[in-house]
Amino acid sequence: AQSVTQLDSQVPVFEEAPVELRCNYSSSVSVYLFWYVQYPNQGLQLLLKYLSGSTLVKGINGFEAEFNKSQTSFHLRKPSVHISDTAEYFCAVTPPWGTDKLIFGTGTRLQVFP
Amino acid sequence: ETGVTQTPRHLVMGMTNKKSLKCEQHLGHNAMYWYKQSAKKPLELMFVYNFKEQTENNSVPSRFSPECPNSSHLFLHLHTLQPEDSALYLCASSQGPTGDTEAFFGQGTRLTVV
Repeated sequence: AQSVTQLDSQVPVFEEAPVELRCNYSSSVSVYLFWYVQYPNQGLQLLLKYLSGSTLVKGINGFEAEFNKSQTSFHLRKPSVHISDTAEYFCAVTPPWGTDKLIFGTGTRLQVFP
Repeated sequence: ETGVTQTPRHLVMGMTNKKSLKCEQHLGHNAMYWYKQSAKKPLELMFVYNFKEQTENNSVPSRFSPECPNSSHLFLHLHTLQPEDSALYLCASSQGPTGDTEAFFGQGTRLTVV
């Protein structure tokens, strides 16, 4: 079985500052990793995903994440945030074979202040 | 219209009512899902349909009854709900059953049980 831990329930940050949202996972098998974003009153939207290959993955809206197998982490980063990045961010994992169900973390609320 | 559409966006129902949530996808996907999103908890996968066949039921109470008449439509029939069932119900779809496919989410139905 897989599990996802997002230790930070809320991350406040000022506009144009860098930000890192942490994600750690637990799995006895290899997994695919995802970050989704949920804007207020919206569904979830895929930011980026890691399937294989380069451990640094670039996504939409200037976000990137780095897969670290030894630390079982997949932290999300952005060098300079905007007010519009205020949203809930979810890390998720899924095993690669035949099961198309995502296991989500509890989410991190990113609040960007002017 | 494209993407995943959920109706209604908001629903208030009494514990003795019967109502249905509707989800429609125009992406040509073969897999559809219902998730429950409650405050402070990870997204909970409720049901998975693949090629109109239910492939997953995560121990969901029988007061929730899914229906998938075709690969484009998914319903969640509700009856005799409890106040703790109040949550955001998200529908999603994906191309197929492998873990590398992206899930596309609807905007959700905010359900309040009174």
